[in-house]
Amino acid sequence: EDQVTQSPEALRLQEGESSSLNCSYTVSGLRGLFWYRQDPGKGPEFLFTLYSAGEEKEKERLKATLTKKESFLHITAPKPEDSATYLCAVQPQGGSEKLVFGKGTKLTVNP
Amino acid sequence: DGGITQSPKYLFRKEGQNVTLSCEQNLNHDAMYWYRQDPGQGLRLIYYSQIVNDFQKGDIAEGYSVSREKKESFPLTVTSAQKNPTAFYLCASLQGWGNQPQHFGDGTRLSIL
Repeated sequence: EDQVTQSPEALRLQEGESSSLNCSYTVSGLRGLFWYRQDPGKGPEFLFTLYSAGEEKEKERLKATLTKKESFLHITAPKPEDSATYLCAVQPQGGSEKLVFGKGTKLTVNP
Repeated sequence: DGGITQSPKYLFRKEGQNVTLSCEQNLNHDAMYWYRQDPGQGLRLIYYSQIVNDFQKGDIAEGYSVSREKKESFPLTVTSAQKNPTAFYLCASLQGWGNQPQHFGDGTRLSIL
């Protein structure tokens, strides 16, 4: 069964304190791994897609990396506006466009 | 601006009542999806449609129904058979195939009266 596990469930940082969020997965072949950001009461906002081990993508203070078993979302010098829940999803091989989501990591950045 | 519009933002259901959640997109996307989000849970797929007049059950389709009569519209009906409907419902769409990201609306929160 395809599974996605995100850790930690919640993370509190001080402004400027860098850290990483983890997304580990077990799938029968990976077509793509997606990171989303979700603010309270809103829909997920797309951040990155990663396709193969070794790939990295960056956007402002965020950097996503991918290995054969997990992905990391690195947050460098975070600001309070980075506070949100970060969701990870994988798209297994098999021809369907279905995604398997993790439960998310709730990030709080204090000023 | 192109996007996905879900309405209403908040919805209340009485016992034994069916309610319909609206999802409209003007992105010209082929595929559309409905997810349910509960506190502390990942998004779970209810139904999806890859083409007009065709749709497939997701992982938790029981108690729900959908239609796809137009490319831009994918309404979800929560029937009285769904015994635990209180949740945040998210609609998404996808252009083409091959690892493209799904884009989401801002959700409808359904509660029981």
